[in-house]
Amino acid sequence: NAGVTQTPKFRVLKTGQSMTLLCAQDMNHEYMYWYRQDPGMGLRLIHYSVGEGTTAKGEVPDGYNVSRLKKQNFLLGLESAAPSQTSVYFCASSYSGRKNIQYFGAGTRLSVL
Amino acid sequence: GQSLEQPSEVTAVEGAIVQINCTYQTSGFYGLSWYQQHDGGAPTFLSYNALDGLEETGRFSSFLSRSDSYGYLLLQELQMKDSASYFCAVIRGSYIPTFGRGTSLIVHP
Repeated sequence: NAGVTQTPKFRVLKTGQSMTLLCAQDMNHEYMYWYRQDPGMGLRLIHYSVGEGTTAKGEVPDGYNVSRLKKQNFLLGLESAAPSQTSVYFCASSYSGRKNIQYFGAGTRLSVL
Repeated sequence: GQSLEQPSEVTAVEGAIVQINCTYQTSGFYGLSWYQQHDGGAPTFLSYNALDGLEETGRFSSFLSRSDSYGYLLLQELQMKDSASYFCAVIRGSYIPTFGRGTSLIVHP
């Protein structure tokens, strides 16, 4: 049972480049989330999804887009990367019956030069 | 708006007891969660309090006072492996959490 898997684990981008981060969960969870973590800032919610085909904005959505075409996958896209998007990105999922418990992936460390 | 306050750093010695406090201001409060994160690792769920009082899980306990908008995480019999960051998170009506900035716990031998 893999839980929540994020790919890639590391990535370096140049300003203006685009990329997609993939999150996959095998726990049949309805809820999925994307966070960014910066030093001293805790975890800030970027976007989330409460089910297949649905997405919603979180606290810091600007510069990011998401899609949830399949229940098990949640994609985070950066259309034109900026140095301010250098961060560690975490995906999480939760079960609708226990929404208060989130299961996190190992993270993606992104540097934008 | 919402705000959560927790100390940025706490230090303690092995075998001791340490308390990490969390105060919050929010509307539509449902409960308070705690997560642990080791350096370079993923956050992992520790506990959740929806009602006032103490919840105990092994060496870890979590407390909530809704009237005081306050909670704490209590770690007993500290071990070196407990050195990590600890985050409180407010759960609101949509069950979307808002995390605090985290408390770095340093356990000395």
